[in-house]
Amino acid sequence: AQSVAQPEDQVNVAEGNPLTVKCTYSVSGNPYLFWYVQYPNRGLQFLLKYITGDNLVKGSYGFEAEFNKSQTSFHLKKPSALVSDSALYFCAVRVFKAAGNKLTFGGGTRVLVKP
Amino acid sequence: ETGVTQTPRHLVMGMTNKKSLKCEQHLGHNAMYWYKQSAKKPLELMFVYNFKEQTENNSVPSRFSPECPNSSHLFLHLHTLQPEDSALYLCASSQVLAGVRGEEQYFGPGTRLTVT
Repeated sequence: AQSVAQPEDQVNVAEGNPLTVKCTYSVSGNPYLFWYVQYPNRGLQFLLKYITGDNLVKGSYGFEAEFNKSQTSFHLKKPSALVSDSALYFCAVRVFKAAGNKLTFGGGTRVLVKP
Repeated sequence: ETGVTQTPRHLVMGMTNKKSLKCEQHLGHNAMYWYKQSAKKPLELMFVYNFKEQTENNSVPSRFSPECPNSSHLFLHLHTLQPEDSALYLCASSQVLAGVRGEEQYFGPGTRLTVT
């Protein structure tokens, strides 16, 4: 079984300050980890993913995430948040196996960036 | 936009109606997905199609019936729905490569369904 936890329902941050959105996962095997963002009345947009290699992954719109195997975490970060970053963020995991496309999503974290 | 389109964007239907949701992907992908997004619940995978064949049905009630006539089109046929089926229904696609499971999924804007 695989699961994802996003412990914060909402994160509030002032514009220009660092933004962190937390994600922890549980899988039996090596994980593939993803971050998606959803703006109002839109579908999910892919931000970045970790497959293998460097633990620090850089993605779209200045976002990055750090894979930490010992803490089973994959936190999303942005050094300086913008008001336009206000949206719903989802972490997702897939375990490496021979078959199956199932991607398990966390419950989502709403980010509110205030001017 | 992401290259995945969904119609209609909004749908209101009664419990005795029959309607269909349509998804089309313009990305040349070989896998398509239906998800349900409800308020205060995690995104739920409903169905997966690989090369037009259904490979996953996540215990979805039979009042939801998917159809994948080709690798670019995906439908979700709805009949005798319940009010609790009101949600945002998202379609996604991806390019599945043999032995690789790291591909990302691309989502459409969704259909907001209200069952009255």
